[in-house]
Amino acid sequence: AQKITQTQPGMFVQEKEAVTLDCTYDTSDPSYGLFWYKQPSSGEMIFLIYQGSYDQQNATEGRYSLNFQKARKSANLVISASQLGDSAMYFCAMRESSGTYKYIFGTGTRLKVLA
Amino acid sequence: IAGITQAPTSQILAAGRRMTLRCTQDMRHNAMYWYRQDLGLGLRLIHYSNTAGTTGKGEVPDGYSVSRANTDDFPLTLASAVPSQTSVYFCASSDSFGGSTGELFFGEGSRLTVL
Repeated sequence: AQKITQTQPGMFVQEKEAVTLDCTYDTSDPSYGLFWYKQPSSGEMIFLIYQGSYDQQNATEGRYSLNFQKARKSANLVISASQLGDSAMYFCAMRESSGTYKYIFGTGTRLKVLA
Repeated sequence: IAGITQAPTSQILAAGRRMTLRCTQDMRHNAMYWYRQDLGLGLRLIHYSNTAGTTGKGEVPDGYSVSRANTDDFPLTLASAVPSQTSVYFCASSDSFGGSTGELFFGEGSRLTVL
């Protein structure tokens, strides 16, 4: 069955430092997509980055990169040069690409950036 | 630019009452989803629809029903609300066939309180 696990309920990072948010997943579908979303205190959901299961390179989007380790079924988000505005809830998500196209989320990690 | 519109944004409801949360998108996305967000549990998939005329059950479908009569609308109905359905509900859509990454586009959420 499809499953996403985020084991860090909360994280702190010093401004300008890098931080890694963990995500592991489980699926029997050979084709899937992995996503990270940010939810600030205002409540909206913001798409950050995507990694396809067949992508050879790790995805990057500005200060965000996805450390994709397929054999370990992990898709960790790395935020470089943290900013105060990065303080938010972060969700890892997975969508299977064959059959149901279900799209499920982990429980999230609350990141606090310290000045 | 509308994207996804949810209504109502907030509602207090007596237990046992019927309630429909409305969701409309103007992006012609094929897939639509309903999630509930609860503290510590992240976003949990209630129901989804890959195309107009089809629906599927998510992780927590009990007590909820959906319909997808056309591409744009995906209402969520609580036939007889119970206090455990107090939550923030997010509607989302994605273009899973268009060759894009298929990221989710979210509505602003509907905060439902069942007393």
